Amino acid sequence: GAVVSQHPSWVICKSGTSVKIECRSLDFQATTMFWYRQFPKQSLMLMATSNEGSKATYEQGVEKDKFLINHASLTLSTLTVTSAHPEDSSFYICSARRGGSGNTIYFGEGSWLTVV
Amino acid sequence: AQSVTQLGSHVSVSEGALVLLRCNYSSSVPPYLFWYVQYPNQGLQLLLKYTSAATLVKGINGFEAEFKKSETSFHLTKPSAHMSDAAEYFCAVSPAGGTSYGKLTFGQGTILTVHP
Repeated sequence: GAVVSQHPSWVICKSGTSVKIECRSLDFQATTMFWYRQFPKQSLMLMATSNEGSKATYEQGVEKDKFLINHASLTLSTLTVTSAHPEDSSFYICSARRGGSGNTIYFGEGSWLTVV
Repeated sequence: AQSVTQLGSHVSVSEGALVLLRCNYSSSVPPYLFWYVQYPNQGLQLLLKYTSAATLVKGINGFEAEFKKSETSFHLTKPSAHMSDAAEYFCAVSPAGGTSYGKLTFGQGTILTVHP
């Protein structure tokens, strides 16, 4: 079964509202999680590295004030899309690193966000 | 810095034929390499990964890939295609170890079509 769970799988929100996506490691502690975005018919692009107990590290071009990442516990990272607009509609997927260097990376099932 | 190039955005084969999906990478540090499969409207499933052990890596569903440092390649093969292999395939590279392990850079993806 899944070892990394994302919720919700699908979400529709109105333009201007905020939406939160959760990424949970189910049976291991993940000090580091990663958030990716995939636009339709495109590849996955890393948005940010989520570090437990510290600020996330954002990739160039990703607005940190728009995509708020919180990693308050060793099993949960959240991505909040603030003031969402239709261009934020995308597939968001997280991954968690289990163990240290060289250990397995698990992906969540992904979350489809549609902003109307 | 790291990058991945997948040659051929679309590959079409007949059922029972050899599958070859090409991936070349660039990395300033020793890399770990991954192949993922994505079915429509779903998340990512790990097919196989290279983590500096054997250069020929066997994965699930009969897939394998060979890491060739001299060619900076990590091509994915399967001797005999099955209809269920039709999907999109992503090659990805990560720094090998350290705090950046798991920070994946993905190729653009290759859509595999299997004809009866």
